Amino acid sequence: DAGVTQSPTHLIKTRGQHVTLRCSPISGHKSVSWYQQVLGQGPQFIFQYYEKEERGRGNFPDRFSARQFPNYSSELNVNALLLGDSALYLCASSLVWQGNSNQPQHFGDGTRLSIL
Amino acid sequence: LAKTTQPISMDSYEGQEVNITCSHNNIATNDYITWYQQFPSQGPRFIIQGYKTKVTNEVASLFIPADRKSSTLSLPRVSLSDTAVYYCLVGERGGSQGNLIFGKGTKLSVKP
Repeated sequence: DAGVTQSPTHLIKTRGQHVTLRCSPISGHKSVSWYQQVLGQGPQFIFQYYEKEERGRGNFPDRFSARQFPNYSSELNVNALLLGDSALYLCASSLVWQGNSNQPQHFGDGTRLSIL
Repeated sequence: LAKTTQPISMDSYEGQEVNITCSHNNIATNDYITWYQQFPSQGPRFIIQGYKTKVTNEVASLFIPADRKSSTLSLPRVSLSDTAVYYCLVGERGGSQGNLIFGKGTKLSVKP
């Protein structure tokens, strides 16, 4: 079975541009979460979506937004890119909304975003 | 939110048993303890999860004392391929957010 897939794997942008990152969850998983991982740090929670609704949001500015589609895939959008947005962006999926379950999240290998 | 504290790094040799301890003094009653493994340029991979006492699977064991304020991940007979960063997480259940809170993890280096 396919795991969580993310695209693109690598991306280079310049300051001020916007970017869209995509994620396809494991088949049957309805919850998708997004994380940002800066080099040398653990992943930091950005968003969680379940059944196309936002269920949680981390401490990130409004430049970050996301959505989930009827097929449970998801997009993360970042506007007005800053140098500090350079990071590995990880998508994770789980069977149910993490808020009411101990189902583990399964991660993709991320999109490496570099801002010049 | 429950925070975790774990050693920044650990060294071991092939064939040894490795125990990584994590402190989570403020764990809530409904929280589970989950461990992930991460290799460079890859996403974290779920290893094991538990609530109390001992949990064992094909790759690791998780020991949780009665007060649940700490937990120990045990990796039997490590190999070079176990070199990775290991994260201990305490999952927040209920409420409006279901996010995972990662710390900096423990960088395990296995030497030949």
